[in-house]
Amino acid sequence: DAGVIQSPRHEVTEMGQEVTLRCKPISGHNSLFWYRQTMMRGLELLIYFNNNVPIDDSGMPEDRFSAKMPNASFSTLKIQPSEPRDSAVYFCASRTGINQPQHFGDGTRLSIL
Amino acid sequence: QKEVEQDPGPLSVPEGAIVSLNCTYSNSAFQYFMWYRQYSRKGPELLMYTYSSGNKEDGRFTAQVDKSSKYISLFIRDSQPSDSATYLCAMSPTGGGNKLTFGTGTQLKVEL
Repeated sequence: DAGVIQSPRHEVTEMGQEVTLRCKPISGHNSLFWYRQTMMRGLELLIYFNNNVPIDDSGMPEDRFSAKMPNASFSTLKIQPSEPRDSAVYFCASRTGINQPQHFGDGTRLSIL
Repeated sequence: QKEVEQDPGPLSVPEGAIVSLNCTYSNSAFQYFMWYRQYSRKGPELLMYTYSSGNKEDGRFTAQVDKSSKYISLFIRDSQPSDSATYLCAMSPTGGGNKLTFGTGTQLKVEL
């Protein structure tokens, strides 16, 4: 089975530009998570969805960040406008149910110049 | 103080050694404990998933949880160069973790 698929793998853009990260969860998984990983802070949960509905977005840094899940097989994380401090690796993860572990994609490495 | 503390390493061991990786935590509500392995430029990969206290073994890997001490360990027997990676502990008060709290990871290098 295909794992969690993220695109793009790498993104380099200038400060102020809009950035859109994409995620396709594992088929049949009903929960989806967005994380950010930095050297200083490690892995931090930004937002998660159950059955396409956002449940907790308390980890989203500020209003410049937004996430959507229009259907069970696709989610986006958008940053507008982007800032250099947003540079990090962004991971998407999914799972089948409440007592099941999360499975991660290989991430998007984002650099804001 | 962070909820989960993990020694960042790096930890360097010779091939065949027994490796011990550890995390301590402060939140007594944590019930589910996980170990993830992360290779360079890849996503975290689930290694071990345990509930409450006790031991769990899977091949060369053993996970140990001591809730009374708020301490978890991952042991790797007969370590191989392919085990070289960063190991992240993660924990949650509920299964699978609506909100997983991660350690910052320990970088392990197994040398020939």
